[in-house]
Amino acid sequence: KAGVTQTPRYLIKTRGQQVTLSCSPISGHRSVSWYQQTPGQGLQFLFEYFSETQRNKGNFPGRFSGRQFSNSRSEMNVSTLELGDSALYLCASSLGELAGVDTQYFGPGTRLTVL
Amino acid sequence: DQQVKQNSPSLSVQEGRISILNCDYTNSMFDYFLWYKKYPAEGPTFLISISSIKDKNEDGRFTVFLNKSAKHLSLHIVPSQPGDSAVYFCAFQGGSEKLVFGKGTKLTVNP
Repeated sequence: KAGVTQTPRYLIKTRGQQVTLSCSPISGHRSVSWYQQTPGQGLQFLFEYFSETQRNKGNFPGRFSGRQFSNSRSEMNVSTLELGDSALYLCASSLGELAGVDTQYFGPGTRLTVL
Repeated sequence: DQQVKQNSPSLSVQEGRISILNCDYTNSMFDYFLWYKKYPAEGPTFLISISSIKDKNEDGRFTVFLNKSAKHLSLHIVPSQPGDSAVYFCAFQGGSEKLVFGKGTKLTVNP
């Protein structure tokens, strides 16, 4: 079974631009979550999508948004980029079960650099 | 305020010895506790989990212990191998966020 894939792997943008990152989950997984990893803050939860609906949301400004398609693939968008948005963005997929542990499997991440 | 604390940013052990990684948490709503490891340039990889109703779970060389009264989670790796060298994250499920992560402990296993 193929793992979680993320594209692109690396991205360089300038302040004020917007960016879209893509994630393809493991086949059969219906939940996709996004995380931001920075040296200072560690891994922080952005949001989770399940069956094309946002199910959970972390404490990030509205510039960060996402969506999920009917095939469970997900995209994340950041508008009006700031220098502090430079980070590794990780996507994780899971079955999305609400009962029991819902083990998440991570992709390799997209390294975003904002200049 | 941090819900999860991994107080040791790094740990160095000899090959064959035990590695003990620790996490403390404050949120009593967590119901599942997980450990992930991460190599450079890769995403985190799931290692092992434990339910809040248990106090120990084993999987091969990896054992996770949960002390709910102390709000303390630990991971034991026995015996440690050089390939175990990575950053280890504890993660917690059950709050309003999908997973809450600690900031990680970098484990180095010396041959």
